[in-house]
Amino acid sequence: DGGITQSPKYLFRKEGQNVTLSCEQNLNHDAMYWYRQDPGQGLRLIYYSQIVNDFQKGDIAEGYSVSREKKESFPLTVTSAQKNPTAFYLCASTEVGGWNTEAFFGQGTRLTVV
Amino acid sequence: DQQVKQNSPSLSVQEGRISILNCDYTNSMFDYFLWYKKYPAEGPTFLISISSIKDKNEDGRFTVFLNKSAKHLSLHIVPSQPGDSAVYFCAAIPDSNYQLIWGAGTKLIIKP
Repeated sequence: DGGITQSPKYLFRKEGQNVTLSCEQNLNHDAMYWYRQDPGQGLRLIYYSQIVNDFQKGDIAEGYSVSREKKESFPLTVTSAQKNPTAFYLCASTEVGGWNTEAFFGQGTRLTVV
Repeated sequence: DQQVKQNSPSLSVQEGRISILNCDYTNSMFDYFLWYKKYPAEGPTFLISISSIKDKNEDGRFTVFLNKSAKHLSLHIVPSQPGDSAVYFCAAIPDSNYQLIWGAGTKLIIKP
């Protein structure tokens, strides 16, 4: 079955720690995205990548980093510089051509700072 | 400044009746709009879309209407079913096909 897999589903982080959220897709999609969801707000774009070894900052990239070494994988690192990391994180992918074609989302990772 | 606005945080509708979810936008250059449905702790799933050259798109129980002069679109669900209870996000595509501008979502509750 084709789809996007995010792991873990729940993640707890101590203040000052970096954590990495995994996103893997087997849809052969070129473009991948990371979003953050907070209560009462729309999804906000953190980073996106249109092709392997290339990525661009979204609206709220500060405190985050990504890599795109393989087409299938787009991990997101939440660094200690992110002031308010507790949120629900969603990964998505689309074919070339972007959102006009069907996009797929992962199940999300809920990150909590303890 | 929010470019895509969903002004109703929640909506409660009786099962079998029509649900109407509204979305307003400010940028007249948006040329494609999408609706996503999201259950708690899951990723959004695509529901229906509409191009700016159309004013209506229908898919089963779901119809999206676009009023470009008013910069307004709406999602109609008829008849509403309990499984429709979810958060619905409106999203718009600006000139770039690689980014979406999202609304804050509307929580739809279908009452039995």
